[in-house]
Amino acid sequence: GAVVSQHPSRVICKSGTSVKIECRSLDFQATTMFWYRQFPKQSLMLMATSNEGSKATYEQGVEKDKFLINHASLTLSTLTVTSAHPEDSSFYICSARDPGGDEKLFFGSGTQLSVL
Amino acid sequence: AQSVTQPDIHITVSEGASLELRCNYSYGATPYLFWYVQSPGQGLQLLLKYFSGDTLVQGIKGFEAEFKRSQSSFNLRKPSVHWSDAAEYFCAVGAQNTGKLIFGQGTTLQVKP
Repeated sequence: GAVVSQHPSRVICKSGTSVKIECRSLDFQATTMFWYRQFPKQSLMLMATSNEGSKATYEQGVEKDKFLINHASLTLSTLTVTSAHPEDSSFYICSARDPGGDEKLFFGSGTQLSVL
Repeated sequence: AQSVTQPDIHITVSEGASLELRCNYSYGATPYLFWYVQSPGQGLQLLLKYFSGDTLVQGIKGFEAEFKRSQSSFNLRKPSVHWSDAAEYFCAVGAQNTGKLIFGQGTTLQVKP
């Protein structure tokens, strides 16, 4: 069964509004989670690393103030797209690393964001 | 520079035929290699991974991959493709204990009846 739950799976919002996406690890405590962005017919690009109890680490070119990441607990990381614009429309996917070893990475089912 | 290249953007095979999806990587450290499959509008499912040991790795759904260090490749294979295998396939590389992955561009697999 799914060990990483991502919600919502699809969201449509008006330009200028903010949208929050949740990523939960169900079967383990994830000190580290990752947020990826995927454009249609393209690969996944890492946006940021979410660290429990500390600030997220953003990849080069990703706007910190646009994509707010909060990892307040060991099972939940949230990505908030602030003041969304049509160019933010994309498929966002989170992943969580099981610290139990063996490089267990689990991906959420993704969120399709459409900004009108 | 660290990168993953999947030379084939789109592949079409007949059901029952064999399949090979190519993946080449450039990575400065010991690579941890992965193959994922993505169905339309869905997240990623891990097919298999290679960390060390036997260079021929068996995965789910009848897939296997072979790590060839000399060629910096990690090609995915399946002896007999099923219609349900039609999807997007991603090769990825990462370092140990980081969880950060670099993905290839993906290969779209279409299966003909």
